[in-house]
Amino acid sequence: VQLVQSGAEVKMPGESLKIACKVSGYSLNSFWIGWVRQMPGQGLEWMGIVYPGDSKVTYSPSFQGQVTLSVDRSTSTAFLQWSSLKASDTAMYYCARHAVVGYFDYWGQGTRVTVSS
Amino acid sequence: DIQMTQSPSSLSASVGDRVTFTCRASQSISSYLNWYQQKPGEAPKLLIYAASTLQSGDPSRFRGSGSGTDFTLTINSLQPEDFATYYCQQGYSTPHTFGQGTKLEIK
Repeated sequence: VQLVQSGAEVKMPGESLKIACKVSGYSLNSFWIGWVRQMPGQGLEWMGIVYPGDSKVTYSPSFQGQVTLSVDRSTSTAFLQWSSLKASDTAMYYCARHAVVGYFDYWGQGTRVTVSS
Repeated sequence: DIQMTQSPSSLSASVGDRVTFTCRASQSISSYLNWYQQKPGEAPKLLIYAASTLQSGDPSRFRGSGSGTDFTLTINSLQPEDFATYYCQQGYSTPHTFGQGTKLEIK
């Protein structure tokens, strides 16, 4: 099982961004894929999960409306996107495979997003 | 949202020590409690799920226990590679919130 994330991004406030998480080594439709934020020097925050089978998404209320989770089954890739970045979006973002009982058992290496003017 | 509270926030210990961390949920989460280890510059790693099931490949010196609202993670005979930050997470209801973490440092 591997989750490989796209590279670091440096953006300006107001710009849009879509980061990727390509999965391999298991049947994509068997597990949800989740995203976790870690702001500099801070803890882990559960953002939401997406089910590749039908693209159903469950967001944390803290992130609802702030980001969009999606998946492209043809490329086995999950995405996290912003339409208008803020400086407060500066963080490391991890994707991870989400088991039915709520744990993340395989993680990507992380994508660092820096938003600065 | 269910709030997860970990204590202590940091802990100093020596190689060979036994340490215990605690995690408390703001409401009952049955046994839907997971523990992760994160080292600086690395992604988190699943250690224990369902409160007490050791993830495949993880050393048996890690032990999880508890149910309902109160949980513990015990590390027996600390090894140098165990110095890291440990997070609990509830998998009972979405959002599957994390605790704020306990940083384990070398004394």
